[in-house]
Amino acid sequence: GAGVSQSPSNKVTEKGKDVELRCDPISGHTALYWYRQSLGQGLEFLIYFQGNSAPDKSGLPSDRFSAERTGGSVSTLTIQRTQQEDSAVYLCASSLDLSTDTQYFGPGTRLTVL
Amino acid sequence: GENVEQHPSTLSVQEGDSAVIKCTYSDSASNYFPWYKQELGKGPQLIIDIRSNVGEKKDQRIAVTLNKTAKHFSLHITETQPEDSAVYFCAAKRTGRRALTFGSGTRLQVQP
Repeated sequence: GAGVSQSPSNKVTEKGKDVELRCDPISGHTALYWYRQSLGQGLEFLIYFQGNSAPDKSGLPSDRFSAERTGGSVSTLTIQRTQQEDSAVYLCASSLDLSTDTQYFGPGTRLTVL
Repeated sequence: GENVEQHPSTLSVQEGDSAVIKCTYSDSASNYFPWYKQELGKGPQLIIDIRSNVGEKKDQRIAVTLNKTAKHFSLHITETQPEDSAVYFCAAKRTGRRALTFGSGTRLQVQP
């Protein structure tokens, strides 16, 4: 079946611009996660959604980062006034529900801020 | 919070040899330990996972062992093949915590 999909696969933007990254989780998965992977680094948790509940934003690095999830499915991660240090691969993952540990990742969006 | 350390950072083996990657974790309450394989330009792919009530798990050429007392777990790949070349990440999580905590990754290169 279809896995987690993300778009765009690559995004190049200028410093100070806003960007939107999209994630479409596996059908039927109610939990959705965003992680950030900086060059040569491990994955850093950003934000978590479970169904229509309020998200866990504890990993967001600054108030320039926000995310929403419409209808309990597709999620958008927005970065306002991008900075060069925001350059990274942004990965989305989903899991079946709150009690399921296994997370399945999408291919990621590579963001480059010039 | 949880801290996961992974080593080595790079590993080169000859085709057919075994490869071992080790991780240690800090939170004794962690009870779920997945391993992911990430190929260039792709997202991490789950290859095997283990829970704290099990000491070892195997799936064909890969196996994971867990030592809860020492708080470390290892990935073992036998009969390595060139297509095993990738970056491997370990992770840890405890019940009730949403996010996985990842190690920094091991770049495995299998020389033909």
